[in-house]
Amino acid sequence: ETGVTQTPRHLVMGMTNKKSLKCEQHLGHNAMYWYKQSAKKPLELMFVYNFKEQTENNSVPSRFSPECPNSSHLFLHLHTLQPEDSALYLCASSQDEGAPETQYFGPGTRLLVL
Amino acid sequence: AQTVTQSQPEMSVQEAETVTLSCTYDTSESDYYLFWYKQPPSRQMILVIRQEAYKQQNATENRFSVNFQKAAKSFSLKISDSQLGDAAMYFCAYRSGYNNNDMRFGAGTRLTVKP
Repeated sequence: ETGVTQTPRHLVMGMTNKKSLKCEQHLGHNAMYWYKQSAKKPLELMFVYNFKEQTENNSVPSRFSPECPNSSHLFLHLHTLQPEDSALYLCASSQDEGAPETQYFGPGTRLLVL
Repeated sequence: AQTVTQSQPEMSVQEAETVTLSCTYDTSESDYYLFWYKQPPSRQMILVIRQEAYKQQNATENRFSVNFQKAAKSFSLKISDSQLGDAAMYFCAYRSGYNNNDMRFGAGTRLTVKP
């Protein structure tokens, strides 16, 4: 596989629940990303971390809260989600030194919000 | 804003034949990078091929090649000698050379390979 793992692979939660998605990369990369993949829509970049610092937040609702404790781990904390938040959440990593490098993706967490 | 358009939601190809997937993009930048990613059913997205905008030569990777037309802002993917394992969603992506955080994807093309 690509060296990026995500857990859980599937998650069902109610709108009042709090859950967290986890991503781990074993590639020694310095940048990590969260994407949302909805049916028949382009991938949406949600958050970017470079060297553990958040550098991008593409107008994502505050019910999504990222955390990057170190360069190998990335979390996405979820609370009071809406049914329209149901999607595949993909994590990716890359080694960006000046020029943008290829992103390596995890298998995703398929989230269903009831 | 940069946008990426894949005009073919679905394509099919006979095994061993050649197929071309289309991608166009809109940008005012001169430095950028283009990618084709493959996402097989229930499997991880992986890079197929990458093209730097400053390179005139089209990228190739075994049976995969691109036709990069910078003036036309077109970046098509050609798959030669198609195999059953090529069946997947294919995503075209654009990444800014000025802002590493600016990464945009097309809506994807679902490729079916017929035996």
